[in-house]
Amino acid sequence: SAVISQKPSRDICQRGTSLTIQCQVDSQVTMMFWYRQQPGQSLTLIATANQGSEATYESGFVIDKFPISRPNLTFSTLTVSNMSPEDSSIYLCSAGQGEETQYFGPGTRLLVL
Amino acid sequence: KQEVTQIPAALSVPEGENLVLNCSFTDSAIYNLQWFRQDPGKGLTSLLLIQSSQREQTSGRLNASLDKSSGRSTLYIAASQPGDSATYLCAVRRTGRRALTFGSGTRLQVQP
Repeated sequence: SAVISQKPSRDICQRGTSLTIQCQVDSQVTMMFWYRQQPGQSLTLIATANQGSEATYESGFVIDKFPISRPNLTFSTLTVSNMSPEDSSIYLCSAGQGEETQYFGPGTRLLVL
Repeated sequence: KQEVTQIPAALSVPEGENLVLNCSFTDSAIYNLQWFRQDPGKGLTSLLLIQSSQREQTSGRLNASLDKSSGRSTLYIAASQPGDSATYLCAVRRTGRRALTFGSGTRLQVQP
């Protein structure tokens, strides 16, 4: 199994600012993803983080708003840019190897004022 | 587009009761299905993974079944305990796609 850590675990930010969330996996993985969980809702995929190339975004999510980096097989970052209160959510990183179980990080709880 | 539905949305049972959580999906072309548990304010813990070729998986008091042709999965929890209280999420991985599509979850409360 993979152990995933995220930083920060939570933050309170002002409208118009940006926050970068880090995701670290304890082993090399082929797949890394970023999900959003809005209050009282289930998880929605933001994008697939591709190692060495641009992330693949889902409908409704754009690179300018959610730039993602993945410099190697164990690390990825998600930036939430020009934040508004609607961005208040839990942001979760997940990772998987091949066809196996996908594992999730503990999440980053973001509140935008 | 794959849609995943979970019923019921919330469930409250007395300790010791056996219970069944339901998950349905619209596109039967799935690669696998995964059940997760989420405690309040926490991330997701993987409970069981069922490959599309499998009918069920068991882990301790948990048993998950999959009927791909009818687009259904169930999670059976035997002899429920207060520590089982959490939100249970069903997630499907479509064939040819690596990310998961999640249901809205069932919020379970086991009363001592």
